[in-house]
Amino acid sequence: EAGVTQFPSHSVIEKGQTVTLRCDPISGHDNLYWYRRVMGKEIKFLLHFVKESKQDESGMPNNRFLAERTGGTYSTLKVQPAELEDSGVYFCASSQDAIVGYTEAFFGQGTRLTVV
Amino acid sequence: AQSVTQLGSHVSVSEGALVLLRCNYSSSVPPYLFWYVQYPNQGLQLLLKYTTGATLVKGINGFEAEFKKSETSFHLTKPSAHMSDAAEYFCAVSDRRDDKIIFGKGTRLHILP
Repeated sequence: EAGVTQFPSHSVIEKGQTVTLRCDPISGHDNLYWYRRVMGKEIKFLLHFVKESKQDESGMPNNRFLAERTGGTYSTLKVQPAELEDSGVYFCASSQDAIVGYTEAFFGQGTRLTVV
Repeated sequence: AQSVTQLGSHVSVSEGALVLLRCNYSSSVPPYLFWYVQYPNQGLQLLLKYTTGATLVKGINGFEAEFKKSETSFHLTKPSAHMSDAAEYFCAVSDRRDDKIIFGKGTRLHILP
């Protein structure tokens, strides 16, 4: 069974440009999460989808970030326009159940975003 | 609010020695507790988790952790380190009512030959 897949693995963009990250969850997992790790900091929650609906987006840093999950399958996270402080590793995770203690949340390899 | 503190951003142990990675948490409700590992160029992988029941939890690759409520700790141990254990380890907590995982800052484990 394929795991959580993220594209691209690395992205280097200039300040002010737009970048779109993609996450393909494990098939059948309704719950999809985005997390981010800024250099030297904790991995922090960004948002949670249940199917195509945003269940919790309390961790989204500002309105330059837009996440979508059309059709409840893959998800995209767009940063527009990118700023230097957006650099970091963006992780996606998926799980069968929403309460992560009940079932395992599987993480992707992450997308390393560098804004220069 | 929940939080996780990992003592030591870098820990070095000799091959064959005991591995001890420390984690303390703060939570107003009984938490779920996790240890994740990230090997180079790979994603986060669940090592073990505590949800309820036995406080000593065994995970993959010979790791185990003990939930100590009185000390609000969930330290990770392995009796004998292998070179392949070199990775970054993350302690994490989740509210039983919530969908978020709160991570610590991570501890990079170095194994000395």
